Amino acid sequence: GQNIDQPTEMTATEGAIVQINCTYQTSGFNGLFWYQQHAGEAPTFLSYNVLDGLEEKGRFSSFLSRSKGYSYLLLKELQMKDSASYLCAATGGDSWGKLQFGAGTQVVVTP
Amino acid sequence: DTAVSQTPKYLVTQMGNDKSIKCEQNLGHDTMYWYKQDSKKFLKIMFSYNNKELIINETVPNRFSPKSPDKAHLNLHINSLELGDSAVYFCASSQMITMDEAFFGQGTRLTVV
Repeated sequence: GQNIDQPTEMTATEGAIVQINCTYQTSGFNGLFWYQQHAGEAPTFLSYNVLDGLEEKGRFSSFLSRSKGYSYLLLKELQMKDSASYLCAATGGDSWGKLQFGAGTQVVVTP
Repeated sequence: DTAVSQTPKYLVTQMGNDKSIKCEQNLGHDTMYWYKQDSKKFLKIMFSYNNKELIINETVPNRFSPKSPDKAHLNLHINSLELGDSAVYFCASSQMITMDEAFFGQGTRLTVV
């Protein structure tokens, strides 16, 4: 099987930076996705890391360390609209053919 | 144009009924999925199809039967609905099997009473 762990909730103020950590345990790991899901809506793709290192996309960056089974999503210059659930998902090996999601981290942005 | 569309958006039905949820994607993707999101917001794979062929069946009760008439459609039929089936069901598609971005439909909120 595959374990994916991420914090349940994080709170930060507008304009701040928040880092959401995700650890995973899998054999045959291929890559790590991050999705954003606003309440009552569908998940939307944020990033996909296959190689070690940092991928930057505007205010959002994602990091992967394959040897440590660790990823993080960094949200900079937080805006109120960033309040959402952030889902970490692994693929490959035990999770070939599917996205194996973590339980999601609810980020609450306060004024 | 909506990339992945599923209908209905809301479905309320009584225990024991049979219902279907339809999904269509206009992205030309080869792979489609059904996911279930329970009350704790945990998103769990149910089925993966690639070019109309079943790839993954994630220990889902056989009351759930997916059908893919062509690679642009993946419908979900549920027999003898139970209270525990209440959840939000998401259809999704991707070009390759989980090697790239998956696009999700708007979700179908199923409530069994």
